Amino acid sequence: KQEVTQIPAALSVPEGENLVLNCSFTDSAIYNLQWFRQDPGKGLTSLLLIQSSQREQTSGRLNASLDKSSGRSTLYIAASQPGDSATYLCAVRIPSGNTPLVFGKGTRLSVIA
Amino acid sequence: ETGVTQTPRHLVMGMTNKKSLKCEQHLGHNAMYWYKQSAKKPLELMFVYSLEERVENNSVPSRFSPECPNSSHLFLHLHTLQPEDSALYLCASSRDYGDGYTFGSGTRLTVV
Repeated sequence: KQEVTQIPAALSVPEGENLVLNCSFTDSAIYNLQWFRQDPGKGLTSLLLIQSSQREQTSGRLNASLDKSSGRSTLYIAASQPGDSATYLCAVRIPSGNTPLVFGKGTRLSVIA
Repeated sequence: ETGVTQTPRHLVMGMTNKKSLKCEQHLGHNAMYWYKQSAKKPLELMFVYSLEERVENNSVPSRFSPECPNSSHLFLHLHTLQPEDSALYLCASSRDYGDGYTFGSGTRLTVV
């Protein structure tokens, strides 16, 4: 059974700092990996989608990497801002089984001005 | 707006009420999903519809009843809910296995 773990569960950093969020998954048989952002009480906003054949994706200050063989992904946020404060969720899409998209519990990020 | 619209945004209902949540997408996606998000728990998949047919029902109690009349609309009918059903209910859609998911803004449900 695919399991997704995100470390740390919570992170607080000063504004301007570069930071890395970690995601690991137990089964390397995935179609893709997706990073989402969720503000309190709101829906999920897709940040980056990495296909299983890709190594990384970039969007603005965000860079996500994927090492499928080791079951790891990282989300790098450069020059963090208070507006980046949110919960970041990692999810993998699996090719079989009863759960197409498997989520981690998320990392709650606070960027302090 | 993400392209997936959920209504209502907030819903308070008594345990004997019947209500429905609505989800709509015009992204050309052929699969739609209901997820439940409770505090301090990962998102839980409830139902999957692919090409308007239900392909997944993750042991969800019968007090939750999904309906997918066409590829653009998805409903979740609610009746005789329990207080522990209070949660954020999220709808999502996708195209094929190579694509990512697009989520709606969710319906915050409170059962009193």
